[in-house]
Amino acid sequence: DQQVKQNSPSLSVQEGRISILNCDYTNSMFDYFLWYKKYPAEGPTFLISISSIKDKNEDGRFTVFLNKSAKHLSLHIVPSQPGDSAVYFCAASVRGGSNYKLTFGKGTLLTVNP
Amino acid sequence: DGGITQSPKYLFRKEGQNVTLSCEQNLNHDAMYWYRQDPGQGLRLIYYSQIVNDFQKGDIAEGYSVSREKKESFPLTVTSAQKNPTAFYLCAIADRTSSDTIYFGEGSWLTVV
Repeated sequence: DQQVKQNSPSLSVQEGRISILNCDYTNSMFDYFLWYKKYPAEGPTFLISISSIKDKNEDGRFTVFLNKSAKHLSLHIVPSQPGDSAVYFCAASVRGGSNYKLTFGKGTLLTVNP
Repeated sequence: DGGITQSPKYLFRKEGQNVTLSCEQNLNHDAMYWYRQDPGQGLRLIYYSQIVNDFQKGDIAEGYSVSREKKESFPLTVTSAQKNPTAFYLCAIADRTSSDTIYFGEGSWLTVV
């Protein structure tokens, strides 16, 4: 029962263009969503998050969009750079309560070609 | 992220042996986590702890054990009962008082031969 789904295992884009990474979730209780970037043999690095009370959050080249009715979020990277090549994980959580944890998707490998 | 130390980075063990992975943090955060990464599987939660002397099973706790005797330490033991122990193990922390963002350590590679 996969509650967070990243249906595209990989994505390839040209340097300077937009990268769009998608994520779907099934648990309507999720109210906080995060994106992480991961290089091989390293721990994931937090990129950006969004609360369910918002539909957009922007930080530099990274923007996350949330569509609650569709249970869908996306990460936009503009412009894409070769250093953005990595695996990107979408994660979701339920805030509040004493048993806080993140549920992750399986990741999308982004390759940015020079 | 700074403040989280996992050791060792690489570890080889023979099948049937227990092995303990260390995770230490100096950020005074209450919540600590252990995740496992396998190719194509994303990150799966093994155990987590919200406070000292308390911990909960995650989605794949079988064959693992943890302890939380000190706030700064959350060691993970991979026992001989874990059927597929070879994986990349990630420790993480969260400061629930300021945000709900979880930050990860650098990870430990365990290879069982």
